[in-house]
Amino acid sequence: AQTVTQSQPEMSVQEAETVTLSCTYDTSESDYYLFWYKQPPSRQMILVIRQEAYKQQNATENRFSVNFQKAAKSFSLKISDSQLGDAAMYFCAYRGEYGNKLVFGAGTILRVKS
Amino acid sequence: KAGVTQTPRYLIKTRGQQVTLSCSPISGHRSVSWYQQTPGQGLQFLFEYFSETQRNKGNFPGRFSGRQFSNSRSEMNVSTLELGDSALYLCASSLGRTTDTQYFGPGTRLTVL
Repeated sequence: AQTVTQSQPEMSVQEAETVTLSCTYDTSESDYYLFWYKQPPSRQMILVIRQEAYKQQNATENRFSVNFQKAAKSFSLKISDSQLGDAAMYFCAYRGEYGNKLVFGAGTILRVKS
Repeated sequence: KAGVTQTPRYLIKTRGQQVTLSCSPISGHRSVSWYQQTPGQGLQFLFEYFSETQRNKGNFPGRFSGRQFSNSRSEMNVSTLELGDSALYLCASSLGRTTDTQYFGPGTRLTVL
């Protein structure tokens, strides 16, 4: 079974600074998808970024980028120029080649200090 | 385009009762997945429906069931509620292919007393 591990329960960052959230996963599949979702206090789960395992290029969405290391099974999220609105719980998620089941990590609470 | 909607947003029930939660996907989406979120267990996959058929199922007891209608709206039912069923229930919709991104609704907060 696939597992996703987020080893940082909580992180803090100063406004305008850069922060990196870590995620590792375990799978025997060769093709899969990885996601970062953000869950603010409203509890609405919002997609931040996605990465297809077959793509070597790291995904980027504005201030958000990933460092995808397939061999190491690592998928970290970098947030540049952090803003107060980035404060939320961040979940790393895995989806296999077949089906729509997402496997989530335990989450990392990100606090942004002004 | 309207997002995923879930009703009701909050629900309080007592042990032994049953409950039905509803999820309306984004227009055109044919897949609906359900997740349970609790502080202790985190986010866990319940099941997925695609074109009115259950396509995938998580590791939950038979008290948890679901269905999908021809308009892709989905309901999940929990019978004989237990205190441990208190959770945020999230549904997510997608077009249905494995390459498609899932979009989540705001969730239903269920409290079992």
